[in-house]
Amino acid sequence: GENVEQHPSTLSVQEGDSAVIKCTYSDSASNYFPWYKQELGKRPQLIIDIRSNVGEKKDQRIAVTLNKTAKHFSLHITETQPEDSAVYFCAASRQTGANNLFFGTGTRLTVIP
Amino acid sequence: ETGVTQTPRHLVMGMTNKKSLKCEQHLGHNAMYWYKQSAKKPLELMFVYSLEERVENNSVPSRFSPECPNSSHLFLHLHTLQPEDSALYLCASSQDRGHEKLFFGSGTQLSVL
Repeated sequence: GENVEQHPSTLSVQEGDSAVIKCTYSDSASNYFPWYKQELGKRPQLIIDIRSNVGEKKDQRIAVTLNKTAKHFSLHITETQPEDSAVYFCAASRQTGANNLFFGTGTRLTVIP
Repeated sequence: ETGVTQTPRHLVMGMTNKKSLKCEQHLGHNAMYWYKQSAKKPLELMFVYSLEERVENNSVPSRFSPECPNSSHLFLHLHTLQPEDSALYLCASSQDRGHEKLFFGSGTQLSVL
């Protein structure tokens, strides 16, 4: 099955700096890559996703890039704010259907004011 | 409350107890899921229900027993659990099994003594 690795496990940045979280996947047939954000004590929420037919997607301060050849994708957060502090999970899926999502181990991002 | 609600938020139980976790979704979705979230591990998919029919069971021990009486409610019945079952149990729903976006509940933090 799919294996998703996520790095780093923890990340601290100064407010206003950028943060980058990277994930690799093993199944070349994976074609859907979502990112979930989980604030402390709260539920995971989808923040952005990308499909394999595009290389980059942006939504305000967050962006995701995908390199299909290298089988890795990254989350980029610019101009970080304290409310960006959370655990971020990447995931990969080779076919339609949430039951086929394979998650990474998560990255705890801390934005220092 | 709208979205996905889970009760209880916290549960402490002994290994010989029987308890149930409850999940309710108010989104009109047709698919519901149980996930297990342990520290430093990926989210683990336990069960998937689509239109009240169990469609996936990822080799979960029989001490976990799901029940989906209708498309809005999902239960996880627990009996004779082990300390290693202590984790955050997350319920999620999606439009249908073929729709990737998951809406999570806030979870039940389970401690098995």
